[in-house]
Amino acid sequence: KAGVTQTPRYLIKTRGQQVTLSCSPISGHRSVSWYQQTPGQGLQFLFEYFSETQRNKGNFPGRFSGRQFSNSRSEMNVSTLELGDSALYLCASSLTGSINSPLHFGNGTRLTVT
Amino acid sequence: EDQVTQSPEALRLQEGESSSLNCSYTVSGLRGLFWYRQDPGKGPEFLFTLYSAGEEKEKERLKATLTKKESFLHITAPKPEDSATYLCAVQPLLYSGGGADGLTFGKGTHLIIQP
Repeated sequence: KAGVTQTPRYLIKTRGQQVTLSCSPISGHRSVSWYQQTPGQGLQFLFEYFSETQRNKGNFPGRFSGRQFSNSRSEMNVSTLELGDSALYLCASSLTGSINSPLHFGNGTRLTVT
Repeated sequence: EDQVTQSPEALRLQEGESSSLNCSYTVSGLRGLFWYRQDPGKGPEFLFTLYSAGEEKEKERLKATLTKKESFLHITAPKPEDSATYLCAVQPLLYSGGGADGLTFGKGTHLIIQP
């Protein structure tokens, strides 16, 4: 069974640009969450989607947005990139979107902003 | 504000030398506490979910326990393949989402097991 797939694996962008990251969840999983991981802050929750609806959002500025498609695939967009947005962006999926259904993480997209 | 503090930040053990990792948390009611393992260049891998004080869960050489203020991950007779960063995360009782998301993570304990 294929795991969570994130593309691209690495990305280099310039300040002020925008970027879109993609996530394909495990087949059958309906919930997709996004996290940002940096050495200083660790893992921080961005948002979660379930059946194409955003159910919850972390404390990130509006430059960070996402969406989920009918096939559960998800995209995350960051506009007007800042140097501080350099991080590993992790996507996680779960089967039912309940607390008893643990998160399965992808290997992330490493974003570097110059 | 929910907080998770893990200690030590790094730990180096000899193969077979048992030890424990600590996760202290401050949360307005606990819905669940989660342990993950992260290998370099990879995403976290789920290990355990604990829901209430006194609960224990085991998997191979790992055993997780939970009290009202902290959780321990006990590693018995570790092997080099147990080397990884171990992450602890909590979800508060009042979390409005329905899933195992919206987690507050600790910074992790970087564990190295030497042969």
